[in-house]
Amino acid sequence: GESVGLHLPTLSVQEGDNSIINCAYSNSASDYFIWYKQESGKGPQFIIDIRSNMDKRQGQRVTVLLNKTVKHLSLQIAATQPGDSAVYFCAEKRSGGFKTIFGAGTRLFVKA
Amino acid sequence: EPEVTQTPSHQVTQMGQEVILRCVPISNHLYFYWYRQILGQKVEFLVSFYNNEISEKSEIFDDQFSVERPDGSNFTLKIRSTKLEDSAMYFCASSGDREGEKLFFGSGTQLSVL
Repeated sequence: GESVGLHLPTLSVQEGDNSIINCAYSNSASDYFIWYKQESGKGPQFIIDIRSNMDKRQGQRVTVLLNKTVKHLSLQIAATQPGDSAVYFCAEKRSGGFKTIFGAGTRLFVKA
Repeated sequence: EPEVTQTPSHQVTQMGQEVILRCVPISNHLYFYWYRQILGQKVEFLVSFYNNEISEKSEIFDDQFSVERPDGSNFTLKIRSTKLEDSAMYFCASSGDREGEKLFFGSGTQLSVL
């Protein structure tokens, strides 16, 4: 069946350190992957995306890596800040469809 | 910056009652969605709406659910006869990308069915 899951439900990092949040997906037909950030009391917020024809994409302080061989997606946050504390969801979508499937989420705690 | 707005932020209803959740998507977007999230868990897809019709729906979106875009700005989700298990945070989202890739979410309506 379709599923996008995360390896760790909670991640705690020291302010200034780099964070890595991992995700596994199971639908081989997915060709578009997204990371969303959800802060308390808010809806998910787009962070970065990547298509299946790419292995890596960089944004401002964030990098997404895609390994299609093992169906693995990761989000790297450089110099993690207290404002990065949130729940992070990976999500997947396939071309021709309208549905975005979300994973279970990882809660990131940033210690000052 | 344009944003998706949802009303009300909280809705309490009795089991069996009808509720309508309202959303104003970003004005130039063409793809509209409803998702729900139970107790901070996974964000679940309910339905997508494009070109004035449902483009895709999940197994959750059964006959008690319906969506409507009554005018050029509002997008509503109606639950005809609410059940206890409908209690959740309901998020509206819109997208201007092809096939609705990058989603912009509202802040949600917390629905509590008693």
